[in-house]
Amino acid sequence: SQTIHQWPATLVQPVGSPLSLECTVEGTSNPNLYWYRQAAGRGLQLLFYSVGIGQISSEVPQNLSASRPQDRQFILSSKKLLLSDSGFYLCAYERNTEAFFGQGTRLTVV
Amino acid sequence: KNEVEQSPQNLTAQEGEFITINCSYSVGISALHWLQQHPGGGIVSLFMLSSGKKKHGRLIATINIQEKHSSLHITASHPRDSAVYICAALFQGAQKLVFGQGTRLTINP
Repeated sequence: SQTIHQWPATLVQPVGSPLSLECTVEGTSNPNLYWYRQAAGRGLQLLFYSVGIGQISSEVPQNLSASRPQDRQFILSSKKLLLSDSGFYLCAYERNTEAFFGQGTRLTVV
Repeated sequence: KNEVEQSPQNLTAQEGEFITINCSYSVGISALHWLQQHPGGGIVSLFMLSSGKKKHGRLIATINIQEKHSSLHITASHPRDSAVYICAALFQGAQKLVFGQGTRLTINP
């Protein structure tokens, strides 16, 4: 069956520290992968999407980057977190118009 | 530009009322998803539409491709329906999955 794993579920990090959030997909191949962020009280904003290994499109210039080292792995990173990076981060994948969503990561930068 | 607009942003109703949430998108799509987000943030997929109408229990979703518009209806609403409802459009070409800003629904007993 098709599943998507995203971890960790919650994370508290100090300002200036690095970030790595990982998302992996099972049960499918060559999915389109997405990272979103939701600030408090706001909607889900598309940050990055990828249609293949090593192919990353950035929607919003910011302090974050994404990588896709393998077909079913999508990583969201930052070298130095800012307070404004706090929020809810969601990974998703789409394959043949069906979409599946991770459980999300609630990041608090302190 | 690939945009998705939802209305209303907030909706409060009494138990039993018929609820309608609207979603409009800017350009051609491959599919439109209706999702439910609970307070913890988890996303539940309700419907995936590319044309016509789908029904699941008290939930009905419709899409008009020509008008670039979709609606989510809830019949006989119940307090447990209270959540944020989100539409997400999969845009053709770039294959971008873009979310609307969500509609916060509160059903009072």
